[in-house]
Amino acid sequence: DQQVKQNSPSLSVQEGRISILNCDYTNSMFDYFLWYKKYPAEGPTFLISISSIKDKNEDGRFTVFLNKSAKHLSLHIVPSQPGDSAVYFCAASFTQGGSEKLVFGKGTKLTVNP
Amino acid sequence: DAGITQSPRHKVTETGTPVTLRCHQTENHRYMYWYRQDPGHGLRLIHYSYGVKDTDKGEVSDGYSVSRSKTEDFLLTLESATSSQTSVYFCAISERGRDEQYFGPGTRLTVT
Repeated sequence: DQQVKQNSPSLSVQEGRISILNCDYTNSMFDYFLWYKKYPAEGPTFLISISSIKDKNEDGRFTVFLNKSAKHLSLHIVPSQPGDSAVYFCAASFTQGGSEKLVFGKGTKLTVNP
Repeated sequence: DAGITQSPRHKVTETGTPVTLRCHQTENHRYMYWYRQDPGHGLRLIHYSYGVKDTDKGEVSDGYSVSRSKTEDFLLTLESATSSQTSVYFCAISERGRDEQYFGPGTRLTVT
């Protein structure tokens, strides 16, 4: 049962345009969401997060939007740069029985073309 | 960069042999995690630790065991490696369970 879904395995955009990466979740108990970026042969790095009490969080060129009623979040990158080319993982977490549960999506490979 | 190292970085081993991967941190973070990354599956949690000698299972824990005798070290052991355990293994740390995690560089394990 895949609780966090990234339905697009890949996305290609032109430099300077907007990149929109999407993520859907099924478990209504998730209350904290994160995006990670991963380059080949490196570990993932944290990018941005959002709590369920918010619907938007912005950090420079990166903005995450959360639509709780639709159980959907998205990551916007504006403007996209070639260095943004990487695999992006969506992750969602909640607390159960005193322990934290964090679930990752399968990732979306973003390619930004010069 | 968070101080996380993994050793070895690459390993090739034969089916049935025991393998231990080491994660070492210099950040004094309470939480440590082991993930595996496979094509088509993303990152899947194997085991995690919320303190010295305190560990719990993740979603793909079968065939793996862990130990944490010191804050800075988290060991992942494959008691008898199988080909299905060929993967890239990532260690991660976080200060609190809800915080963002910092990942190590990964260990590529091949079981022949």
